[in-house]
Amino acid sequence: KAGVTQTPRYLIKTRGQQVTLSCSPISGHRSVSWYQQTPGQGLQFLFEYFSETQRNKGNFPGRFSGRQFSNSRSEMNVSTLELGDSALYLCASTRPKGADTGELFFGEGSRLTVL
Amino acid sequence: SQQGEEDPQALSIQEGENATMNCSYKTSINNLQWYRQNSGRGLVHLILIRSNEREKHSGRLRVTLDTSKKSSSLLITASRAADTASYFCATDLFGAGANSKLTFGKGITLSVRP
Repeated sequence: KAGVTQTPRYLIKTRGQQVTLSCSPISGHRSVSWYQQTPGQGLQFLFEYFSETQRNKGNFPGRFSGRQFSNSRSEMNVSTLELGDSALYLCASTRPKGADTGELFFGEGSRLTVL
Repeated sequence: SQQGEEDPQALSIQEGENATMNCSYKTSINNLQWYRQNSGRGLVHLILIRSNEREKHSGRLRVTLDTSKKSSSLLITASRAADTASYFCATDLFGAGANSKLTFGKGITLSVRP
């Protein structure tokens, strides 16, 4: 079974530009969540999608957005990039069971550098 | 501040020794999970312990959970150089619903010297 695939793995942008990151979940996983990881703030939850609907959103400005397609693939977009957006963006998928959040399967991440 | 806070922040041990890492959290949880991250890579799930469980084992890993103290510990026995990584505890908050949101601590850097 293929794991979670994130593209691109590395990218460099300049301030003011926008970026789109892609995530393909494990086959059969309908929940996709996104996390931002920085040395200062650690891992922070961005948002989670299930069946093309955003179910939860973290404490990030509106410049951060996402969507999920009918095949469960997800994209996240960051507009008007700032230097502080430099981070490792991690996507995780899971197959929700019951009321708890179970094991998350993470991709290798997209390393964004904003110059 | 973070829901989950790990202790110590960094740990250096000799191969073959045991490594103990601790995590404290603030609010009620459904479960607590531990993840490992090798430098700059994605996170790998290690173990999940539910709020009604007190101890769980998986291979060389032993996790305990004390909900009265809101704390957990991860023990890696007979450590190997390949265990060198960052370790994170993550909590699934009670009442948050099945929304696949975990709250992560800042992580513990474990170095295992050959």
